[in-house]
Amino acid sequence: GAGVSQSPSNKVTEKGKDVELRCDPISGHTALYWYRQSLGQGLEFLIYFQGNSAPDKSGLPSDRFSAERTGGSVSTLTIQRTQQEDSAVYLCASSPGQGRWDTEAFFGQGTRLTVV
Amino acid sequence: GDSVTQMEGPVTLSEEAFLTINCTYTATGYPSLFWYVQYPGEGLQLLLKATKADDKGSNKGFEATYRKETTSFHLEKGSVQVSDSAVYFCALSAVSSNTGKLIFGQGTTLQVKP
Repeated sequence: GAGVSQSPSNKVTEKGKDVELRCDPISGHTALYWYRQSLGQGLEFLIYFQGNSAPDKSGLPSDRFSAERTGGSVSTLTIQRTQQEDSAVYLCASSPGQGRWDTEAFFGQGTRLTVV
Repeated sequence: GDSVTQMEGPVTLSEEAFLTINCTYTATGYPSLFWYVQYPGEGLQLLLKATKADDKGSNKGFEATYRKETTSFHLEKGSVQVSDSAVYFCALSAVSSNTGKLIFGQGTTLQVKP
């Protein structure tokens, strides 16, 4: 596909369960980002990948959150022992910009996570 | 730390009205500034950007000028349409971060009535 693809589009999980969210970036984009969009906190940065490395993980809210990227392409965001405050829309974005500050980011449609 | 402040919404306008959405920022150095838009049921997409002081970004009739002296990047459109109804996010990317990560404002919901 031409754009950033995220799956699933919706996920309902029970409190305490683990969840995995997937992101397929635009082919050839070396930079990949995860953001979280929630009512109380707006749009927050979580983690940045350049290739398979994550030089900036400063936005991950707790050690229950982790992410990996393989083959310089697909990324997975994992939330362990989910809590109700983890309910949000998780957005993935990719960019060709090698981490440049002036380059457009292309966003996926997001995964809406609901923890019940 | 770096931050972006947007005017609170929602903003409700009649078709063909003039639109201004205020955005101010705090950052060290000279960041790049962006407006992203989220139409109902769609993902975030870039509306316009400016990468240095006094630059004007423009797209689809929207404009914003990077004002270093007032640390602002206000979004304007001379005549809005119903199809402009969406959530608008102002954002910055700091040179110093070396990541390209975006810091967003809270978002402003625009509703345009026929």
